[in-house]
Amino acid sequence: EPEVTQTPSHQVTQMGQEVILRCVPISNHLYFYWYRQILGQKVEFLVSFYNNEISEKSEIFDDQFSVERPDGSNFTLKIRSTKLEDSAMYFCASQDDMSYNEQFFGPGTRLTVL
Amino acid sequence: GENVEQHPSTLSVQEGDSAVIKCTYSDSASNYFPWYKQELGKRPQLIIDIRSNVGEKKDQRIAVTLNKTAKHFSLHITETQPEDSAVYFCAASNKAAGNKLTFGGGTRVLVKP
Repeated sequence: EPEVTQTPSHQVTQMGQEVILRCVPISNHLYFYWYRQILGQKVEFLVSFYNNEISEKSEIFDDQFSVERPDGSNFTLKIRSTKLEDSAMYFCASQDDMSYNEQFFGPGTRLTVL
Repeated sequence: GENVEQHPSTLSVQEGDSAVIKCTYSDSASNYFPWYKQELGKRPQLIIDIRSNVGEKKDQRIAVTLNKTAKHFSLHITETQPEDSAVYFCAASNKAAGNKLTFGGGTRVLVKP
């Protein structure tokens, strides 16, 4: 069964550094999402992406964040200048069709900002 | 925007007993309500979902009910087993609003053998 994959599984970075989190959605999916989960808290929506553009973003997704689909398979989340409070698990999700709403989640990238 | 509240935050049951988790949502336009199970350090896994045109859905030991008027939905797990121990999240989304998922705060379920 196809799955969403994410790399790296764990990223440690210094405050102020840029990080890029990578996701490979399921191949025939059209809608892509990033969520984050701070340790012990609920999953929070960051951004959705369709047809090569952002369709919606949350207030968390400020100017320090950007997303890109550089080729036909990867979907990336970039944080330009990381802050301590960016430490969280970041999940990518993909969905094949708006009429069938299930979103499939990747295994996550644990980001630790020191 | 949508707000989803989930109760209880922790639930301890004896193996074989039932577990019930309740969620309320605020946006009457929400039309899709999934439940995810998350084991420690793992991704959320969809276990059951319900759409707003349905009042109840069952899949083996798991059932979900939806009351659109009251804007609440519930997860029922019967004959609980130790492997049901995990954190369960409810969520709500609205197709017209881009289908983003708004999650509840989670319920940590512990099934005691």
